[in-house]
Amino acid sequence: RKEVEQDPGPFNVPEGATVAFNCTYSNSASQSFFWYRQDCRKEPKLLMSVYSSGNEDGRFTAQLNRASQYISLLIRDSKLSDSATYLCVVTLYNAGNMLTFGGGTRLMVKP
Amino acid sequence: DARVTQTPRDKVTEMGQEVTMRCQPILGHNTVFWYRQTMMQGLELLAYFRNRAPLDDSGMPKDRFSAEMPDATLATLKIQPSEPRDSAVYFCASAAPGTKAFFGQGTRLTVV
Repeated sequence: RKEVEQDPGPFNVPEGATVAFNCTYSNSASQSFFWYRQDCRKEPKLLMSVYSSGNEDGRFTAQLNRASQYISLLIRDSKLSDSATYLCVVTLYNAGNMLTFGGGTRLMVKP
Repeated sequence: DARVTQTPRDKVTEMGQEVTMRCQPILGHNTVFWYRQTMMQGLELLAYFRNRAPLDDSGMPKDRFSAEMPDATLATLKIQPSEPRDSAVYFCASAAPGTKAFFGQGTRLTVV
């Protein structure tokens, strides 16, 4: 079983739709959680951190459920420019903050 | 803007040749990661360093891959001899203590 698992998609949604991705992690000692975004043939870039209380950044909302060991990303009012692969990332503090990536979920927003 | 710099951006080489990829982490970042990305496997951690010391290189094939940090401004990843299955995009990332990681633009390696 992979340490961090995501539905690979693709999720095909129309502009303006709301879309949600989930990610599950296997190590209960995971400390920090992030969502990264990767565009085709580009490097991953940090989208947002995920805090225990949940956090919002514009159209993006991230939530963490430690009991069930999953994190989620909600995108409201999808834009064409949101089309990308979204990578779930967890770290273990006692592993030197090593980033462990999920396989990514591909989102395609259509006009 | 501070950024992680990787060279070369693209490399095509023949099987059996040595390949060296270089990474300049962001100044002040003490943790450096090497990742490999393929369509089949996604992003895989090869090795990472903290304060120039290797912390984990269990993801790296030891017989042909080696990673070093000769100084705080340079990390290298070598493959010798290279094989076609090594074809992938190799990313370097760096992080300051307790913060998130920033990636370089990657080296796209093709071994023919």
